Amino acid sequence: QKEVEQNSGPLSVPEGAIASLNCTYSDRGSQSFFWYRQYSGKSPELIMSIYSNGDKEDGRFTAQLNKASQYVSLLIRDSQPSDSATYLCAVRGAGSYQLTFGKGTKLSVIP
Amino acid sequence: SQTIHQWPATLVQPVGSPLSLECTVEGTSNPNLYWYRQAAGRGLQLLFYSVGIGQISSEVPQNLSASRPQDRQFILSSKKLLLSDSGFYLCAWSWTGPNQPQHFGDGTRLSIL
Repeated sequence: QKEVEQNSGPLSVPEGAIASLNCTYSDRGSQSFFWYRQYSGKSPELIMSIYSNGDKEDGRFTAQLNKASQYVSLLIRDSQPSDSATYLCAVRGAGSYQLTFGKGTKLSVIP
Repeated sequence: SQTIHQWPATLVQPVGSPLSLECTVEGTSNPNLYWYRQAAGRGLQLLFYSVGIGQISSEVPQNLSASRPQDRQFILSSKKLLLSDSGFYLCAWSWTGPNQPQHFGDGTRLSIL
């Protein structure tokens, strides 16, 4: 069974600091990796996609992928209170339409 | 641009009553469509997905069903709701293709009494 594991948190960081969110996955054939942000009571919102090993930067967000270690992470630089949310890691296996989601890490940015 | 609409936003239903949740997508054709449920304290669970009109794949056997009567319309139904059907129901769409992300609607919060 395909699994995606995330630390549930809460992860608390001071405003302006770097928040580091981690995710591991079990399916070695996985090819697509996504990070979603979900505010309390709202639906998930896509913030990053990554498909190949290495780093991908978009504004304050950097996604990092290491397929050999089956590990994907999300760094948020200059964290703001508005970044406080649950971050979901999602992984798509080879040839699959399905996304397998982790249970999410709750991030709290303290002013 | 593409938009996805889901309604209603909230719903309170008695046990044993029927259910119909509707989702429509605008600004695209032949999207893949998905129904998820998110129960309190649990992750997103894929219920159904569809790659075309009338084509439905079920991921979890239960008392729910899905239909896709039109290209951009996806409906989640039940003939008789159970207490365990409570949760946050999310519709999502994606382009076809192997690496496409999914984009979610605003969701329906369903409470069963």
